Amino acid sequence: EAQVTQNPRYLITVTGKKLTVTCSQNMNHEYMSWYRQDPGLGLRQIYYSMNVEVTDKGDVPEGYKVSRKEKRNFPLILESPSPNQTSLYFCASSPSGGTLHFGNGTRLTVT
Amino acid sequence: AQSVTQPDIHITVSEGASLELRCNYSYGATPYLFWYVQSPGQGLQLLLKYFSGDTLVQGIKGFEAEFKRSQSSFNLRKPSVHWSDAAEYFCAVGFTGGGNKLTFGTGTQLKVEL
Repeated sequence: EAQVTQNPRYLITVTGKKLTVTCSQNMNHEYMSWYRQDPGLGLRQIYYSMNVEVTDKGDVPEGYKVSRKEKRNFPLILESPSPNQTSLYFCASSPSGGTLHFGNGTRLTVT
Repeated sequence: AQSVTQPDIHITVSEGASLELRCNYSYGATPYLFWYVQSPGQGLQLLLKYFSGDTLVQGIKGFEAEFKRSQSSFNLRKPSVHWSDAAEYFCAVGFTGGGNKLTFGTGTQLKVEL
């Protein structure tokens, strides 16, 4: 089954403790991206990648890092999480010029 | 920069009634337009999309949307709402730059009264 898989689904952590949210897709898509969803703001793009070793900032990149060492994986790294990063995070993948496929989301709480 | 406005934060309709969710966009070129639905605790499911051609687009679950360039709108419609349609609906505009980036509206929460 074609899918985008994020882990974990739920994560509670404390300020400053580094964490990684994993994202994997099995559709051989070139493009992958991360979004965060906040009430009243919709979804906003954090980072995106157009291919292996090619990443760029989206609209809200501060406090986040990404890497794309393999085509199928695109982890989101928070090196020093803060409470304002409490949010619902979505990973997405797409072929070039195609429609985005979203994962089921990761709900992160930073205390 | 592109933007999307969904003017209705909450909408309540009775089951069986018709539905129209409004979406207006701002974008300099011909947009790619999407409607997604998000059920509680779930991810985003694509309802329909417009890339080009026929301005009336049919989607899943009986939804349709009409692209009106003169009004910069892409409103979502359904002739008869079912209780299972209760969810949050997002309109989005896309372009091929930014890794197929989507710019989302703030969403419309639909409640269905039985």
